[in-house]
Amino acid sequence: GAVVSQHPSWVICKSGTSVKIECRSLDFQATTMFWYRQFPKQSLMLMATSNEGSKATYEQGVEKDKFLINHASLTLSTLTVTSAHPEDSSFYICSARLAGGVSGELFFGEGSRLTVL
Amino acid sequence: SQQGEEDPQALSIQEGENATMNCSYKTSINNLQWYRQNSGRGLVHLILIRSNEREKHSGRLRVTLDTSKKSSSLLITASRAADTASYFCATATNTGGFKTIFGAGTRLFVKA
Repeated sequence: GAVVSQHPSWVICKSGTSVKIECRSLDFQATTMFWYRQFPKQSLMLMATSNEGSKATYEQGVEKDKFLINHASLTLSTLTVTSAHPEDSSFYICSARLAGGVSGELFFGEGSRLTVL
Repeated sequence: SQQGEEDPQALSIQEGENATMNCSYKTSINNLQWYRQNSGRGLVHLILIRSNEREKHSGRLRVTLDTSKKSSSLLITASRAADTASYFCATATNTGGFKTIFGAGTRLFVKA
């Protein structure tokens, strides 16, 4: 199956710093990637839809200036948590859909655990 | 916002028993998918059922879909300890842009 790589898998940073998380589709092209946030023992909350070559679409309540998303190529989307605070600590997961696919399955990265001190 | 609700929230069974998880959703869908997540890991796609399908099988998995009741069920037969994980249903909609929304999940624990 298609492989999505997410990096880093875990990161610890100081409050006020910015952290970048990368999501790569390794063996397929992904015109659309999705970023989710997951709190312990809870479900995945969709944060934004990342479209290659255009601006991301953010879900209601998600600050676009706080969570910067860039989808510069068909295989890479990045999520930057700017001026991170302890409440941003969470598990962030990206997923990708095959280019040309409309409603098919999603392929997930392994997630990135962010801890803000 | 979350689309689906799942029950039970947690399920503990003995190895060899069957496990049934249910999912309900609110809006019309293109398809419904089930995913599995081991603790602290990414999600693995299990099975997809389209809105015009009623039942689908894959190995020990059986999924049903009732669009009139906006509900789905996932049955895992002859469970194994390795099936211990969280299971999520996800609905694919094309309302306000195509997206996949996840339910709250069921935490399954299979005792050896």
